[in-house]
Amino acid sequence: QKEVEQDPGPLSVPEGAIVSLNCTYSNSAFQYFMWYRQYSRKGPELLMYTYSSGNKEDGRFTAQVDKSSKYISLFIRDSQPSDSATYLCAMSETGGGNKLTFGTGTQLKVEL
Amino acid sequence: KAGVTQTPRYLIKTRGQQVTLSCSPISGHRSVSWYQQTPGQGLQFLFEYFSETQRNKGNFPGRFSGRQFSNSRSEMNVSTLELGDSALYLCASPRRGGMYSNQPQHFGDGTRLSIL
Repeated sequence: QKEVEQDPGPLSVPEGAIVSLNCTYSNSAFQYFMWYRQYSRKGPELLMYTYSSGNKEDGRFTAQVDKSSKYISLFIRDSQPSDSATYLCAMSETGGGNKLTFGTGTQLKVEL
Repeated sequence: KAGVTQTPRYLIKTRGQQVTLSCSPISGHRSVSWYQQTPGQGLQFLFEYFSETQRNKGNFPGRFSGRQFSNSRSEMNVSTLELGDSALYLCASPRRGGMYSNQPQHFGDGTRLSIL
């Protein structure tokens, strides 16, 4: 079983919809959580970074962390066709340097 | 501030050959990490270097090795290439310079390696 599980999708939504992307993890040592967006033929781009349980908002994006349930989410409001990409969750543990453990990614398509 | 730069962007090799990939991290940052991305396994951590010393290592065979130079540029080498080594190899640099850990990483656009 992988340390980080993520539904691979694909997920297709209409423009303007609210998108919910989720990851679960099994390693209690994970304390730092990130969300990345990756377009085809590009490297991952950092969207959100958080290290505490609760919500963090940045524009149309909200990251939610529930350490007691080992569950993290990314919400995208008013989704746009330009949000069509693969979304990756990533996490790191204290004492692990800068090593990130990734979910497998969710492919999102926002349709006009 | 320049981002993470990787060269070359694309590379084709045959089984049994070796390959060297190059990465320049964010200017002034002393940490650089390498990842392998494949459709089946996703993004997997290879290793991290900090100030020319390997600080962390993933679960890859010894055919995968790396090094970092005094100017922070890093190279990754794969020897005796196998078909399964076909992947996108990504280099990453932390958001903050210095010896901070658990930093979010900024990635280059990778080197696409194809093994024939």
